[in-house]
Amino acid sequence: ETGVTQSPTHLIKTRGQQVTLRCSSQSGHNTVSWYQQALGQGPQFIFQYYREEENGRGNFPPRFSGLQFPNYSSELNVNALELDDSALYLCASSFRGRDYANTGELFFGEGSRLTVL
Amino acid sequence: AQTVTQSQPEMSVQEAETVTLSCTYDTSESDYYLFWYKQPPSRQMILVIRQEAYKQQNATENRFSVNFQKAAKSFSLKISDSQLGDAAMYFCAYRSAYQMNYGGSQGNLIFGKGTKLSVKP
Repeated sequence: ETGVTQSPTHLIKTRGQQVTLRCSSQSGHNTVSWYQQALGQGPQFIFQYYREEENGRGNFPPRFSGLQFPNYSSELNVNALELDDSALYLCASSFRGRDYANTGELFFGEGSRLTVL
Repeated sequence: AQTVTQSQPEMSVQEAETVTLSCTYDTSESDYYLFWYKQPPSRQMILVIRQEAYKQQNATENRFSVNFQKAAKSFSLKISDSQLGDAAMYFCAYRSAYQMNYGGSQGNLIFGKGTKLSVKP
């Protein structure tokens, strides 16, 4: 059973650029959530994808967008990068059944560390 | 809106001793889940323990146990027989049961700011 993997692990961008972060969910999982963790803070929920559609969003502007693919992997895209976007971006996968029942815990990847200069 | 507060930015414990990490939360909901996550330097969030609000019995997982006081909205984590590998950031987190069970955002965990635990040999 493979865990959640994220790429790249570290990257540096300049203000105004765009970035794409990638996440492969754990085998058997169909739901992916993304979190932003600023230095010294707890993670903050960005959004969640289920069956290739956004299913819940936190307090983040539209320049934060995402995709989920048929194999349940996911991308987080951030446009027009700002200095405050510097953070660790965590991906978490889980399984949701058709009846929306509580289907278990979130499994996190090791994150992508983004630095915006 | 729900909030989670961890009032101890840093804690220290001697190896083999017991330490308690504090967490309080605010919510108007009656059904929810509470979690403690561990984040070592590797950055990966690892679930330590979970508590369902409808359960009166406190959850335990080996050396880890919680003291869940629903009326006081308190959820502390006790680590017994502390080990060097327990050193990490610990985050308390809240999730609405309604969101989980009725098609809402299943992944929406609300985290506290964390407590950095050091273990002295």
